[in-house]
Amino acid sequence: AQSVTQPDIHITVSEGASLELRCNYSYGATPYLFWYVQSPGQGLQLLLKYFSGDTLVQGIKGFEAEFKRSQSSFNLRKPSVHWSDAAEYFCASSGAGSYQLTFGKGTKLSVIP
Amino acid sequence: DTGVSQDPRHKITKRGQNVTFRCDPISEHNRLYWYRQTLGQGPEFLTYFQNEAQLEKSRLLSDRFSAERPKGSFSTLEIQRTEQGDSAMYLCASSLGDTNNQPQHFGDGTRLSIL
Repeated sequence: AQSVTQPDIHITVSEGASLELRCNYSYGATPYLFWYVQSPGQGLQLLLKYFSGDTLVQGIKGFEAEFKRSQSSFNLRKPSVHWSDAAEYFCASSGAGSYQLTFGKGTKLSVIP
Repeated sequence: DTGVSQDPRHKITKRGQNVTFRCDPISEHNRLYWYRQTLGQGPEFLTYFQNEAQLEKSRLLSDRFSAERPKGSFSTLEIQRTEQGDSAMYLCASSLGDTNNQPQHFGDGTRLSIL
């Protein structure tokens, strides 16, 4: 069965600092990988996705993520965080044989001025 | 392009009552998904439709839960005889296409509170 692990429950960064959110997946083959962001009381917005090809993918709002098969990781990065980036971030995966998304437990990002 | 729409946004009900939620997907999307999200957790898959056919159901979907998508457009999720443990955010998502590498687009959810 697929699983997604986000090791950090809560991260606090200063505005303007760089950010890296960790995600590890467990899946036999190459998974499809996603990062979503959720603001309080809202649904999830897709930031970026990886299916195949270039392992560094660019997303919206200045985010990028790198797929590393050897580490089973898909970490999300942003070079300079803005106060509006404060939210909860979810990593998710799906596989070739299933349409359902498997989510991690999320990482809550706080941004201090 | 309107997004995925869910109604109501909030529902408060007494234990034992039945509740029904509605989801309107993005108009050209033929796939529709329901997820449940409890506090401090990521969303968990409940069920999935391709057009009007319900193709996958999670073990989380007990016999008190039923979902329909009668004309392949909007969908409803009904919970009968609600229990305290049903309190959660219920999220609907939709996607396009014949392959499973199309991203899912989520609505803002229905938050259910059981008194």
